[in-house]
Amino acid sequence: KNEVEQSPQNLTAQEGEFITINCSYSVGISALHWLQQHPGGGIVSLFMLSSGKKKHGRLIATINIQEKHSSLHITASHPRDSAVYICAVVGSNYQLIWGAGTKLIIKP
Amino acid sequence: DTGVSQDPRHKITKRGQNVTFRCDPISEHNRLYWYRQTLGQGPEFLTYFQNEAQLEKSRLLSDRFSAERPKGSFSTLEIQRTEQGDSAMYLCASSLNTGHQETQYFGPGTRLLVL
Repeated sequence: KNEVEQSPQNLTAQEGEFITINCSYSVGISALHWLQQHPGGGIVSLFMLSSGKKKHGRLIATINIQEKHSSLHITASHPRDSAVYICAVVGSNYQLIWGAGTKLIIKP
Repeated sequence: DTGVSQDPRHKITKRGQNVTFRCDPISEHNRLYWYRQTLGQGPEFLTYFQNEAQLEKSRLLSDRFSAERPKGSFSTLEIQRTEQGDSAMYLCASSLNTGHQETQYFGPGTRLLVL
């Protein structure tokens, strides 16, 4: 069993839909990252969370430390949101442990 | 631009050749990480340095792979006798480890294609 599990692996939605991507982890962590990777490989850090909820524009990230679960939400999705979204946790010795990613496609 | 640079951005080589990649981290960062990402997969951890010391190596890092960070600043990743399976994006990240939370900043990656 992977230490970081994301679901779904693939998600296709229509423009305007509310998107949720989930991340569960099985190790003790000090923080959790949500990252976005566009075709061509560039990785952008969206959020770093250690508790509660953060919002940036149409993106919202939440984390429940007790349940070892985090969600990334996109409101009013747009085709430019199409990317791979990666959940990564900061584990022991501060290494990043990566999820496999969720490939999101937003159709116009 | 995160401040982490990698060179080259792309490399095409023939099987059996040696290649070397360079990563220049953010100057005050004491930790430097190398990852490999193949198409459709998430990044896989390869190795990391605290200053000039290589603290951990993944089992993915075969004997053909070697990484150095001689002065605790830039790092090089060398692959000897490249194989087609080495084709991937090689990512470098740096961070400032203070004993509390740390954020890794990623470079743009070096895309390797072994023919």
